[in-house]
Amino acid sequence: GAGVSQSPRYKVAKRGQDVALRCDPISGHVSLFWYQQALGQGPEFLTYFQNEAQLDKSGLPSDRFFAERPEGSVSTLKIQRTQQEDSAVYLCASSSSGRQTTGKLFFGSGTQLSVL
Amino acid sequence: DAKTTQPPSMDCAEGRAANLPCNHSTISGNEYVYWYRQIHSQGPQYIIHGLKNNETNEMASLIITEDRKSSTLILPHATLRDTAVYYCIVRVGGSYSGNTPLVFGKGTRLSVIA
Repeated sequence: GAGVSQSPRYKVAKRGQDVALRCDPISGHVSLFWYQQALGQGPEFLTYFQNEAQLDKSGLPSDRFFAERPEGSVSTLKIQRTQQEDSAVYLCASSSSGRQTTGKLFFGSGTQLSVL
Repeated sequence: DAKTTQPPSMDCAEGRAANLPCNHSTISGNEYVYWYRQIHSQGPQYIIHGLKNNETNEMASLIITEDRKSSTLILPHATLRDTAVYYCIVRVGGSYSGNTPLVFGKGTRLSVIA
């Protein structure tokens, strides 16, 4: 079906606001990843889900960042009390493999978050 | 995962082959070489990957040296739409209980010039 869909495409938040970013992975994809990309840098890993289980959250920069995937499909990345340093593009990616590792990921176009 | 080294930028004339190098001198025997590209305002796009042998698909060719310490991504006939940042990533493969995330560096900014 369609590729990975992310919404909103752009988000402007005032410092201190909470934001929620949504990711719709490719239907049937088991694995889901969130990445953060600062301007001029490569994407940096945040967290990984296998179905509804969050197996790796080692990249989340602080406890203000929280991700969930309750039914093993759509995922939400929530950032509480946003700070200016949170301004970045947040990318979601999915892959069909679960236990068997693969490096072939399908990325969405990202949500560009600007914190003023 | 092993670290990779890529030139920060390259130019290529439209219609010519673009050869993008990558050094990965500390690569382990079970690590694959992956290439992704990121066109402006889009998410990264998978191009190709390989372990030891050279690989080719509809997008590109991947040439891996015999000692596996370096590789080259070849776009045989570059077009303006190939202008993007190209990332070379090495990543462990095989069967694991987890899923090792891709670790991106800064990549090579390829500019295809008319």
